[in-house]
Amino acid sequence: QQQVKQSPQSLIVQKGGISIINCAYENTAFDYFPWYQQFPGKGPALLIAIRPDVSEKKEGRFTISFNKSAKQFSLHIMDSQPGDSATYFCAASVGEYGNKLVFGAGTILRVKS
Amino acid sequence: KAGVTQTPRYLIKTRGQQVTLSCSPISGHRSVSWYQQTPGQGLQFLFEYFSETQRNKGNFPGRFSGRQFSNSRSEMNVSTLELGDSALYLCASSSLTQASYNEQFFGPGTRLTVL
Repeated sequence: QQQVKQSPQSLIVQKGGISIINCAYENTAFDYFPWYQQFPGKGPALLIAIRPDVSEKKEGRFTISFNKSAKQFSLHIMDSQPGDSATYFCAASVGEYGNKLVFGAGTILRVKS
Repeated sequence: KAGVTQTPRYLIKTRGQQVTLSCSPISGHRSVSWYQQTPGQGLQFLFEYFSETQRNKGNFPGRFSGRQFSNSRSEMNVSTLELGDSALYLCASSSLTQASYNEQFFGPGTRLTVL
């Protein structure tokens, strides 16, 4: 019940295209859903996060869509660029214990120029 | 503002030894969490410290322990190292203010290799 399932495992997108990564969860107590970006040799960097009271959040080229009834959320990267090539992780946590993040397995994104 | 710093960045140990890793959070952040990252298991939560007290713990054996000092700096210790402990150990800090509730910022990690 603590798992967060992430798909696809890897993704190749043409420059300028839309990258879409999906995550699903079971624990309905989760109330914070961040996405992290990780480059080789670096720690994960917080990209964008959402709470269940909204269905969509946009920051620049990055958008989170959240479907509470389906217990799913996704990351959309618009106008994907080669510099976006990285590993992306979705995560979830429960309010009071919000710093105990449960991570998805990660998606390796490659943007072809 | 300086980010989360972790020392050392790389470490090689042999089975049976123990190791201590250090983390300095972002200035003003009082919560420090530790995660283990491996190719097989992904990112897994180890524990979280807040105001020198362990607030959360993941599902790791007792060989993994940590502490936090009054200046919010944190250390984690792994005793009796096993080959499977080879991993990237990541530290994350959080301010826990209402505005940035839950936001965690990760350091670059310590790459531990157990031979």
